[in-house]
Amino acid sequence: DIQMTQSPSSLSASIGDSVTITCRASQTINRYFNWYQHKPGKAPKLLIYEASSLQSGVSPRFSGSGSGTTFTLTITSLQPEDFATYYCQQSYTTPYTFGQGTILQIK
Amino acid sequence: QVQLQQWGAGLLKPSETLSLTCSVSGGSLGSYYWTWIRQSPGKGLQWIGEVNYSGNSNYSPSLRSRATISVDTSNNQFSLKLRAVTAADTAVYYCARVQRFPDAFDVWGQGTMVTVSS
Repeated sequence: DIQMTQSPSSLSASIGDSVTITCRASQTINRYFNWYQHKPGKAPKLLIYEASSLQSGVSPRFSGSGSGTTFTLTITSLQPEDFATYYCQQSYTTPYTFGQGTILQIK
Repeated sequence: QVQLQQWGAGLLKPSETLSLTCSVSGGSLGSYYWTWIRQSPGKGLQWIGEVNYSGNSNYSPSLRSRATISVDTSNNQFSLKLRAVTAADTAVYYCARVQRFPDAFDVWGQGTMVTVSS
């Protein structure tokens, strides 16, 4: 299985800040890579697909970049609704695998 | 707009079979794969497997021996059965649609908490 490793595991930020989350794959996955936002008691929400494409309806404050083995998610001008857990996921091959998650907390 | 509504038993005893169903509304099963994903308490997301409208399926190697994902095209539904459950199968189970090329899970069900306890 392809291992996905996110960093940091958690971070604290204030409203209006920008943050970046990194995800590394254990082997090259080209750009077959997605980001999700997950809030307690809700279903995960697709934010970014194919490394940098913004899913329809998602705020442009979210952006993704990367290819190969290293990918980043950047959130600018943090809003209260952005505090959640973020997961990366590879779609290069089955079994699809996720990172362990990054908890974004309000400072 | 496609929506997924899922249901199934929430409390099982060890060795029983987990059975969940996901109904697709606002669209058809065709042209997509449909998947099950779970999240154990305090842990991350784990992909279980997927099926398409023709019944072609793929599974995580770790669950392949116990899992069956099937499709019911007449009712626009798909289902998960997981045999011989243990406490390690306690999790929130989600159904989702697999957007193809590029692949991503773009529509999700609301989630079902399944607890395995004697």
